[in-house]
Amino acid sequence: GNSVTQMEGPVTLSEEAFLTINCTYTATGYPSLFWYVQYPGEGLQLLLKATKADDKGSNKGFEATYRKETTSFHLEKGSVQVSDSAVYFCALSSSGGSYIPTFGRGTSLIVHP
Amino acid sequence: NAGVMQNPRHLVRRRGQEARLRCSPMKGHSHVYWYRQLPEEGLKFMVYLQKENIIDESGMPKERFSAEFPKEGPSILRIQQVVRGDSAAYFCASSPGLEIYNEQFFGPGTRLTVL
Repeated sequence: GNSVTQMEGPVTLSEEAFLTINCTYTATGYPSLFWYVQYPGEGLQLLLKATKADDKGSNKGFEATYRKETTSFHLEKGSVQVSDSAVYFCALSSSGGSYIPTFGRGTSLIVHP
Repeated sequence: NAGVMQNPRHLVRRRGQEARLRCSPMKGHSHVYWYRQLPEEGLKFMVYLQKENIIDESGMPKERFSAEFPKEGPSILRIQQVVRGDSAAYFCASSPGLEIYNEQFFGPGTRLTVL
């Protein structure tokens, strides 16, 4: 079956630091990969996605590259802001998983001024 | 274009009562998913529905929980005889189709507290 493994949080950084949140996956079929962000008290919203190997998804300064050889989709940002404090979820969807998305447990990011 | 709507945003119930959670998907979306989120835990899939059909309910407890998505009106997640362990945030998401590259659009959630 499908599974997503994210690094545990919380990740605590100072403003303008470099961010990496690791995500690896196992999937049957050829998945699409997603990062969602959840701000306090809100639902999840899509941050970026990639649908085939070597694709790079990017949005709001965040990037993630679909690495088929390492089955990874790590999230990066060069300079975080306090407003980036949120919970980040890695997810995949594949035909082998009946198309229902599989989510990681989420990684909490706390950015201090 | 309104997003996914959920109501109520907060719901308080006493043990043994019924909880009824509503979700209106985005306009044009016919696929609805329900998830449960517990503090410090991830998102747990509960049920996937299309109009008038339950497609996959593998994540939903067999007893006390039910879901529907009628031809007209919102999708409803119903929890009968609630217990304290049902306290959680319940999120609804919708998508336009079943393709694996489709993102899900989430509502703001209903936070259920069972006293």
